[in-house]
Amino acid sequence: NAGVTQTPKFQVLKTGQSMTLQCAQDMNHNSMYWYRQDPGMGLRLIYYSASEGTTDKGEVPNGYNVSRLNKREFSLRLESAAPSQTSVYFCASSAPRGMSTDTQYFGPGTRLTVL
Amino acid sequence: QKEVEQDPGPLSVPEGAIVSLNCTYSNSAFQYFMWYRQYSRKGPELLMYTYSSGNKEDGRFTAQVDKSSKYISLFIRDSQPSDSATYLCAMITSYGKLTFGQGTILTVHP
Repeated sequence: NAGVTQTPKFQVLKTGQSMTLQCAQDMNHNSMYWYRQDPGMGLRLIYYSASEGTTDKGEVPNGYNVSRLNKREFSLRLESAAPSQTSVYFCASSAPRGMSTDTQYFGPGTRLTVL
Repeated sequence: QKEVEQDPGPLSVPEGAIVSLNCTYSNSAFQYFMWYRQYSRKGPELLMYTYSSGNKEDGRFTAQVDKSSKYISLFIRDSQPSDSATYLCAMITSYGKLTFGQGTILTVHP
């Protein structure tokens, strides 16, 4: 049981380049999330998917798109990377409401630098 | 004003000390309260969870919630160097909105 996995672990991009961050979970969770973490800002929600086939914007969605490929996988895409998107990105998943405490389980993170 | 305020520290204590980490919040709709621990270059992991006012104990860790004052705390007894990490408080409303604090960096030195 790997939990939540993310690829890649590290990435360096030039301004204007695009890339997709991959996330997968093997806990049969319905809900999945993408966060970014910046010094002094805590974790900020970018997008989330309450269930397969649905996605919604979080606190800081501008510059990002997401795809809930299936129940296991939730990807985050940067179409035209900007230096302001330099951050550590975390994917998380949680069980359906009513079955647990909505505890979110986090992946190990992707460290992205945009030059 | 942020809905959840957490002193970022850093906090440095000697081994064996009692550590107190705190968060305040402004949204009365928060019903569930959590503490996450995040080691350097790792993802956050759930440490404690509670939904009522009062204390909840788990080994050396005690989570305290005071809903009337909108204040939560995490106490670590007999702190160890392995407790060195960033501690994030997190809160959920009854309708599922989750908000994290900024995180407090803790260092326990031998």
